[in-house]
Amino acid sequence: KNQVEQSPQSLIILEGKNCTLQCNYTVSPFSNLRWYKQDTGRGPVSLTIMTFSENTKSNGRYTATLDADTKQSSLHITASQLSDSASYICVVSASGGYNKLIFGAGTRLAVHP
Amino acid sequence: DGGITQSPKYLFRKEGQNVTLSCEQNLNHDAMYWYRQDPGQGLRLIYYSQIVNDFQKGDIAEGYSVSREKKESFPLTVTSAQKNPTAFYLCASRAPSGGATEAFFGQGTRLTVV
Repeated sequence: KNQVEQSPQSLIILEGKNCTLQCNYTVSPFSNLRWYKQDTGRGPVSLTIMTFSENTKSNGRYTATLDADTKQSSLHITASQLSDSASYICVVSASGGYNKLIFGAGTRLAVHP
Repeated sequence: DGGITQSPKYLFRKEGQNVTLSCEQNLNHDAMYWYRQDPGQGLRLIYYSQIVNDFQKGDIAEGYSVSREKKESFPLTVTSAQKNPTAFYLCASRAPSGGATEAFFGQGTRLTVV
C-alpha cells in the first residue's frame, strides 16, 4: 500500500533555531517527492520538488534531502522565523497513470519568540 | 494574476442539502483535482480531471459529483449522500498531468454542516 509517514506530528522551537522534519514513504513506482508549506486555513504552497536522481535541494532557508534507497526525505529549516509556523506536508508522486500524489499527514511547526 | 481561485471561503450546509464549491484557474492547466482535508490526516483525493469533459473518481468519491465543461472550471458538488461533509476542501491544478510538475492549490473552502 502506498503510504507517506511524517514525523514528528508537531514540533515547537524557538525563533532562530534550526529544525529537521522527517518523511518516510512506501510508494512504488516512485516519481518524485515534494514538500509543501500550509498556513492555517490556506492552501499548500510548494517548497521543493525532487526527482529520483536528486539528493538535496534548497529553497532559501529550506533544504530538502532525499535518500531513494532508504525511501526517506527530510526538510531542514535554518534560522527559523515566526512566519515559519505552519504545517509542512510531504507528498510523493507515483509514476504511471495520472501520477497520483500521496500526501503525508503533515508536521505542525510552531516557532515561538 | 495567474492562479487558482476557490469560492466561497466558508460555506454552511443544512442536512439534506446539496452545495457546490467553485474552482477556477487561469493557468491553462489541463489537470485539475479536488481534495478533502481532515484534521490529522493527509489530503485525500475526491475526483480528478485530466482534460475537458473527462473526470475520474478518486479515493473517496462517494457522495460527491463534479463536471468539467470548461478547461478553467472544475466545480465540486457535495450531495446529501455525503454523510460527513464537514471538512476543508482544496482544489489543485497541474500541467501537464504528470511528472515533476508543480501542483498549484487554491486557498480552500471550509464546509460546515449546521
